[in-house]
Amino acid sequence: DTEVTQTPKHLVMGMTNKKSLKCEQHMGHRAMYWYKQKAKKPPELMFVYSYEKLSINESVPSRFSPECPNSSLLNLHLHALQPEDSALYLCASSQDGAGQGSSSGNTIYFGEGSWLTVV
Amino acid sequence: AQTVTQSQPEMSVQEAETVTLSCTYDTSESDYYLFWYKQPPSRQMILVIRQEAYKQQNATENRFSVNFQKAAKSFSLKISDSQLGDAAMYFCAYRSAGGATNKLIFGTGTLLAVQP
Repeated sequence: DTEVTQTPKHLVMGMTNKKSLKCEQHMGHRAMYWYKQKAKKPPELMFVYSYEKLSINESVPSRFSPECPNSSLLNLHLHALQPEDSALYLCASSQDGAGQGSSSGNTIYFGEGSWLTVV
Repeated sequence: AQTVTQSQPEMSVQEAETVTLSCTYDTSESDYYLFWYKQPPSRQMILVIRQEAYKQQNATENRFSVNFQKAAKSFSLKISDSQLGDAAMYFCAYRSAGGATNKLIFGTGTLLAVQP
């Protein structure tokens, strides 16, 4: 069982709706991530949150807004999405930190994903 | 910039047989990590095996093993005694050492079918 929990598993929303995807990790990791994955493609990184600091992929549209209430939670707020935003959204976490030299510390662990359909 | 190449879009193996998935990468770095992830139809991305670049010994995890050739920048995955549950998309991935902002760079994936 994954220790990165995502809710909801499935979400259907209209283009005028506001919704959120939620992610929680139970491993005490210091970094969390959101990825977007289209069918038959590898995941694409959207956001990284590490040591209280959010790093943003500049190509991600502003209709996606991350929020990190604490070190174990990372939400993704969705507003005014387009049909092409329909995809699998994967949350992930890693131990990462300054001086982390171990493979386990550098390993990124994924949640089960949230399927998003924009209609 | 680092790149990861998986040249086999699809592979097929008979149950109980062995299959090898290929992966090559390009980097000028000396310290990095390599991973194989499995993504079954449920779409959860599951870590299969990982390798530290500074370790010469090839990683193994039960029926899964890698052939890591650092000079050739090759990182293939061998699955022994293939099972129906091994059917999935397999992604090879590269990550630089040293911090959360270092991206996980994926290959394009290999779709593995297991025939009964």
